[in-house]
Amino acid sequence: QKEVEQDPGPLSVPEGAIVSLNCTYSNSAFQYFMWYRQYSRKGPELLMYTYSSGNKEDGRFTAQVDKSSKYISLFIRDSQPSDSATYLCAMSARAGGTSYGKLTFGQGTILTVHP
Amino acid sequence: DADVTQTPRNRITKTGKRIMLECSQTKGHDRMYWYRQDPGLGLRLIYYSFDVKDINKGEISDGYSVSRQAQAKFSLSLESAIPNQTALYFCATSDPGGRIPQETQYFGPGTRLLVL
Repeated sequence: QKEVEQDPGPLSVPEGAIVSLNCTYSNSAFQYFMWYRQYSRKGPELLMYTYSSGNKEDGRFTAQVDKSSKYISLFIRDSQPSDSATYLCAMSARAGGTSYGKLTFGQGTILTVHP
Repeated sequence: DADVTQTPRNRITKTGKRIMLECSQTKGHDRMYWYRQDPGLGLRLIYYSFDVKDINKGEISDGYSVSRQAQAKFSLSLESAIPNQTALYFCATSDPGGRIPQETQYFGPGTRLLVL
């Protein structure tokens, strides 16, 4: 079983739709949760970052973490064609006071928003 | 100019050949990483380096080696390429002392490798 599971999709939605992307994980040591966005033929770039449980909002994007269920989500409101990309969840643990800096990624979800 | 650059961007090679992928960064970060990306498998860590003298294996290091020539340069070698090493390879950096969450990694544009 992978430490991080993400539905690879593909997911196709009309412009203006609300998109929900999800990941589950098994390692209870994960405390830092990230969403990366990767456009075609580009490297991933950080989109959202959350520490521990809770919600974080940034414009049309909301990241949610539920550590009790080991489940994280990314919501995109009023989706736009420019949101079409692969979305990767990523997680990191921390031991003592030192960050390893290593990330464990989900498989990525391919999202297409059509006009 | 890009902060993290990778060369070459595309490479076709034959089974058994030795090849090197190079990564350079101008971000001044100590930590550098090599990943491969395969469809349906996400990004998997090959090697990582926390400074010039500290190199560590990731989850899929077999068949690969690395060299950290300087803080800014981290190279990945395939000693004897095989077809299942066909993938998209990414270099990344991070800054453990940065204000931005320490776990934030910055990725290069990738190298698309095809092993025939």
